[in-house]
Parts: sequence; C-alpha cells; structure tokens
Amino acid sequence: AQSVTQLGSHVSVSEGALVLLRCNYSSSVPPYLFWYVQYPNQGLQLLLKYTSAATLVKGINGFEAEFKKSETSFHLTKPSAHMSDAAEYFCAVRGAYYGNNRLAFGKGNQVVVIP
Amino acid sequence: NAGVTQTPKFRVLKTGQSMTLLCAQDMNHEYMYWYRQDPGMGLRLIHYSVGEGTTAKGEVPDGYNVSRLKKQNFLLGLESAAPSQTSVYFCASSYSPRGGAGETQYFGPGTRLLVL
Repeated sequence: AQSVTQLGSHVSVSEGALVLLRCNYSSSVPPYLFWYVQYPNQGLQLLLKYTSAATLVKGINGFEAEFKKSETSFHLTKPSAHMSDAAEYFCAVRGAYYGNNRLAFGKGNQVVVIP
Repeated sequence: NAGVTQTPKFRVLKTGQSMTLLCAQDMNHEYMYWYRQDPGMGLRLIHYSVGEGTTAKGEVPDGYNVSRLKKQNFLLGLESAAPSQTSVYFCASSYSPRGGAGETQYFGPGTRLLVL
C-alpha cells in the first residue's frame, strides 16, 4: 500500500520568503508522486507530478519539487512566496504499476502568507 | 470543455434522508472517483470506477453507493444520511491508457453536504 506524510498542518511564510512543504512517501513499488493545490472553496488543481523521468520537477506558479529515492521524499519549494500562494497543498502517491490510478493523499498543509 | 462538474453545490439533509450527488465529465475519461474531504484528514477515496458499468470500493465506502451507467457520469448515493457524512465531496476523473504513466486526476468544484 502507498501512503504519504505531510508534517505541520499549518505553515506560515513571509511574503518573499522561501516556501518549503515536506512530503515523505511509503510505497512498495516505484511511485508516481503529485502535488495538488486547493484555493478556498475550489477543487484541487495539479501543481506538478513525478513519473520516473527527471527527479527535479517544475510545476506551475514557480513551484518545483525534487524526488529523492534515498530519502523517500518529494518536498515542494518555491523561492519567493506571493500572497496568491495562500492555499492548501496536498501531496499524493500512487503505485506506478497500478492500473486504477488510485491516489493516496496526505493530510495537507494550509499555507498562510504574511505580508 | 466544462471539465468535471458536480451537482448540487450545497445541500442540507436531515438524518435518515437520502440523496444522490451527480458528477459529470466531458473529457472522455475512463476512470472516475469520489472523495470526501474533512478537516485535518486530507482526501479519502470513497468509491471509484475504471469504466462504464464498473465500480469498486475505496478507503471509506460504508454508507455510500455508486453507479456508472454512462461513461461520462458517476453518481454517489447516500441511502440514509448520518451526521458523520457531513463533509465536502469531490469527484475526479482521469484518462488512463493501458500501462498509464501517472495520469492526472481532474477535480470538480465540490459539493458541501451538511447532515443535521
């Protein structure tokens, strides 16, 4: 079975500072990994995904994440936070060989950007 | 393309009442999913479907039923609503070719359900 751990339900970051959201995964097979963002009162939107190609993945809105197999991690970063980055962020994993595309989500990080 | 749409957006039920949530997608996706989102719990999979006429249980299926009579629609039913089913429900869909490489799930805007 696959699972992800996201620590720190609420993350506060100053405008212009580094955004770092941590995701550690557990998977018995090679994983595919995803980061989704949810703005208030909206559905989830894909930020980026890792599917066994390049380990450094660039996504939308200046976000990127690096897959580190040795650390079983897929942390999300953005060099400079913007007020519009205030949202909830979810890491998710699925097994690469599973044909049903089932995702296991972490509990999410609520990001607050301080002016 | 409208993408994934959900009906209704908000609903209040009394304990014991029944209702059906409708999800529709216009992307010709094979796979569809129903999740519930609760504070501090992330998203949990209720049921999913890998094609028209097929459904399967997810992580938290108790108290829910689903049907996929048409490829573009995925219905979630609550036969006898309970306060524990107060939640935000999201539908998602994805296209998955055989041996698919991490196909993205596309989410609807959600349905807020309050069970009194």
